[in-house]
Amino acid sequence: GNSVTQMEGPVTLSEEAFLTINCTYTATGYPSLFWYVQYPGEGLQLLLKATKADDKGSNKGFEATYRKETTSFHLEKGSVQVSDSAVYFCALRGGNAGNMLTFGGGTRLMVKP
Amino acid sequence: GAVVSQHPSWVICKSGTSVKIECRSLDFQATTMFWYRQFPKQSLMLMATSNEGSKATYEQGVEKDKFLINHASLTLSTLTVTSAHPEDSSFYICSAEGGVTYEQYFGPGTRLTVT
Repeated sequence: GNSVTQMEGPVTLSEEAFLTINCTYTATGYPSLFWYVQYPGEGLQLLLKATKADDKGSNKGFEATYRKETTSFHLEKGSVQVSDSAVYFCALRGGNAGNMLTFGGGTRLMVKP
Repeated sequence: GAVVSQHPSWVICKSGTSVKIECRSLDFQATTMFWYRQFPKQSLMLMATSNEGSKATYEQGVEKDKFLINHASLTLSTLTVTSAHPEDSSFYICSAEGGVTYEQYFGPGTRLTVT
């Protein structure tokens, strides 16, 4: 079945540092890939997505590129802010699993001033 | 657009009582709604998928008689935790699928504490 693996946290960075959160997936077919962000005490918000190979999703300075050859969708941001502190979930949907979202374990990001 | 609300946002109940959580799509019709459970510092676990007017499909290991799901309309789904116990304490999140792109939009979650 489908699965998503992302780096364990917490990831602690200083403000303005470069961020990478790794995400790899296993899926049959051609899934869509997502990054969701969860702020403390809140639900999930869609951060960005990519629906096919080589697509780049971007939003609020975050980027991720759908790499089919390495089955990866790593999240990056050039300069993090304290307000980016949250838990980030990589997820996939589609392929042979229909409309169900499959989530990674989540990565907690802590940005210090 | 594409806002999903949940009510209540948090609830404390005594062991043995039942609690109902509502999930509403405010500005779109949701053909499918999903219920997730999230334990502290863990990922979301899909509990069940519900389609309007039909019975919910539960994931393996989820007791359907304990977690009653009703998807009565295209904008409302409810999750009732029956005879709640402390181990049912968790963060429950719903999502609704719909809109032009059939994305899943998530509610803000409901924190349930059973004492």
